[in-house]
Amino acid sequence: EVQLVETGGGLIQPGGSLRLSCAVSGFTVSSKYMSWVRQAPGKGLEWVTIIYSGGTTYYADSVKGRFTISRDNSENTLSLQMNSLRVDDTAVYFCARVTVRPRGDDAVDMWGQGTRVTVSS
Amino acid sequence: SSELTQDPAVSVALGQTVRITCQGDGLRSSYASWYQQKPGQAPLLVFFGESNRPSGIPDRFSGSRSGNTASLTITGAQAEDEADYYCNSRDSSGHLPFVFGTGTKVTVL
Repeated sequence: EVQLVETGGGLIQPGGSLRLSCAVSGFTVSSKYMSWVRQAPGKGLEWVTIIYSGGTTYYADSVKGRFTISRDNSENTLSLQMNSLRVDDTAVYFCARVTVRPRGDDAVDMWGQGTRVTVSS
Repeated sequence: SSELTQDPAVSVALGQTVRITCQGDGLRSSYASWYQQKPGQAPLLVFFGESNRPSGIPDRFSGSRSGNTASLTITGAQAEDEADYYCNSRDSSGHLPFVFGTGTKVTVL
C-alpha cells in the first residue's frame, strides 16, 4: 500500500528547531519528486520545498536558508529540518509525492495526513 | 513567482453544475491539477492534465483549459462535493517549480 506518514510536529518557541519526518511505503522515496506543503490556519496551500529524484532541491523564499529537505534512502524517509522558526511558520505540514510527466500533466498524487507545527512563546 | 487566481467562493444547488476557474499566465503553457480538501483532511487529487481523473474519483469531475484559464467542472454536484478546491501548475518564474491557486470554497445548497 502506498502511504506517507508524517511525524515530528509540535509546539516550539520562536527561534527554535524542529525536524519533521515522513515515512514512505509502497514506493522508493529516491525515485520520485517529494515535497513539503504547508497550510497555515484558515489559509491556502503553500509549497515549502521539493526534492527531485536526482537530488535537486528548491525552497520557498520564506524558508530559504532556514529549512532543509533531505531523504534517507536506506530508511525510505523524507525529512524537513526547520531552524530559526518564526510565528508565521505555524501550519500543518504535509509530505507529498509529485509525479511529473513530459507532457506537463503533473500531479501531487499522494499526500500524508499532515503534522501540525505551532510556533509560539 | 507567478500567481494562480481563483474565486474565493462559489455556491451550487444540489444536482446542478458548477465551474471553478483558475487564472494565471503559466496556464498558457502548462496544465493544471486540481485538489479537493475537506475540513481537517489532506488534499485529494481529483483531476489533472488534459483529461486525467484518478481512480476512484467520480466522473462528474472534469477539467479543461483555455488561454490562461483552467477550469474544474462538477456536473451534478453532490452534498459531499462541498469543500475547498485548489489548482496547481508549473511556475517558471519563481524559486519553486510549482504554485498553488488561492483556493475556492464550494458550497452545495
